[in-house]
Amino acid sequence: EVQLEESGGGLVQPGGSLRLSCAASGFTFSDYWMHWVRQVPGKGPVWVSRINGDGGSPSYADSVKGRFTISRDNAQNTLYLQMNNLRAEDTAVYYCARANEGVITDYWGQGTLVIVSS
Amino acid sequence: DIVMTQSPDSLAVSLGERATINCKSSQSVLYSSNNKNYLAWYQQKPGQPPKLLIYWASTRGSGVPDRFSGSGSGTDFTLTISSLQAEDVAVYYCQQYYTAPPWTFGHGTQVEI
Repeated sequence: EVQLEESGGGLVQPGGSLRLSCAASGFTFSDYWMHWVRQVPGKGPVWVSRINGDGGSPSYADSVKGRFTISRDNAQNTLYLQMNNLRAEDTAVYYCARANEGVITDYWGQGTLVIVSS
Repeated sequence: DIVMTQSPDSLAVSLGERATINCKSSQSVLYSSNNKNYLAWYQQKPGQPPKLLIYWASTRGSGVPDRFSGSGSGTDFTLTISSLQAEDVAVYYCQQYYTAPPWTFGHGTQVEI
């Protein structure tokens, strides 16, 4: 069974940093592109970032480019999102998702809540 | 970026009746070289992550009941629930993965009984 479990969310002040983690199990982690998607409660999901199975070819939404860094540790079956210089508008639930054929997000974790506030 | 526009914002359907949700993309998501529409539908219940229902516009995801179907091509798409069940109350989102990044989602359609 595919399982994805995010952690690392919490309350942080504007300008602060957080690192999110996503522990994966139930599939061969290194075979899949992985994504981060965020969602403000009551709003639609918004794609944040993607990385290939080898840890290369990262891509980012314009709103986070230069501030967020996606990475992965295939030995630990874990995906990361390093978030720096956080802003109030980054407040959201952050989901990791597996991408079939690189583009179809077929399994999502339960999400971790990030709140950026003073 | 491709803008995804869903209609209606919400709809109420009686149990056992048909529910129809529309999604329009600001440009075609049909890739001519493989004749595939890069369009997915998700279902999201309160407190849960989105669940993949449909991809390639009309292919059901793993374990998705056959009362859910997707249709359309190019810029206009439809998600149909043929016989609404109580457990289908949720918000439904369409998403394009044609010109990605970024992947873009619609704003959602709330389905109620």
